[in-house]
Amino acid sequence: DAKTTQPNSMESNEEEPVHLPCNHSTISGTDYIHWYRQLPSQGPEYVIHGLTSNVNNRMASLAIAEDRKSSTLILHRATLRDAAVYYCILSKGYALNFGKGTSLLVTP
Amino acid sequence: DAGVIQSPRHEVTEMGQEVTLRCKPISGHDYLFWYRQTMMRGLELLIYFNNNVPIDDSGMPEDRFSAKMPNASFSTLKIQPSEPRDSAVYFCASGLKYEQYFGPGTRLTVT
Repeated sequence: DAKTTQPNSMESNEEEPVHLPCNHSTISGTDYIHWYRQLPSQGPEYVIHGLTSNVNNRMASLAIAEDRKSSTLILHRATLRDAAVYYCILSKGYALNFGKGTSLLVTP
Repeated sequence: DAGVIQSPRHEVTEMGQEVTLRCKPISGHDYLFWYRQTMMRGLELLIYFNNNVPIDDSGMPEDRFSAKMPNASFSTLKIQPSEPRDSAVYFCASGLKYEQYFGPGTRLTVT
């Protein structure tokens, strides 16, 4: 599977938007882009996924670059509950290889 | 739906003992996954099933580990014999096409 690169950590203020970047320059045409997050002491939680077009759901938005070599997870209004490790994963199928992710700190 | 159910939530056992972890997936999901998470290695996929059939077990660390899915509502991950290096949090997840839903995990400590 192609590799992703994410910042180790990011910080945001509560009630502000958060843009979490992910680089995947070796992505193939059949790779889906998945985002999961893991809150402290919990199992990972599905956030969103996409292939080519931008995607929106109740939790977040996924913006995919036109060349698909990068993507951004957008949390429109961060809350304290959004503090978690966010994983950007590429997968052709169902097997997911979690990397180290980005640790998001949300401050009041 | 209650979500993915795992039992036990915590397990402490001695080296050499057999350990069985259990998982009840979300009804209607046709994929089931077993993962292991440690500080050193992060979150690793061990094995996954589709319609109760094992599809990829390349992540199973060695022959001491085995997983079964006798029906659509139950799966087990067995370690026999257990070793201290097996200490980790084991997650079960179930899913449909491209979304996986994780259970709360079983924290295994092997002394």
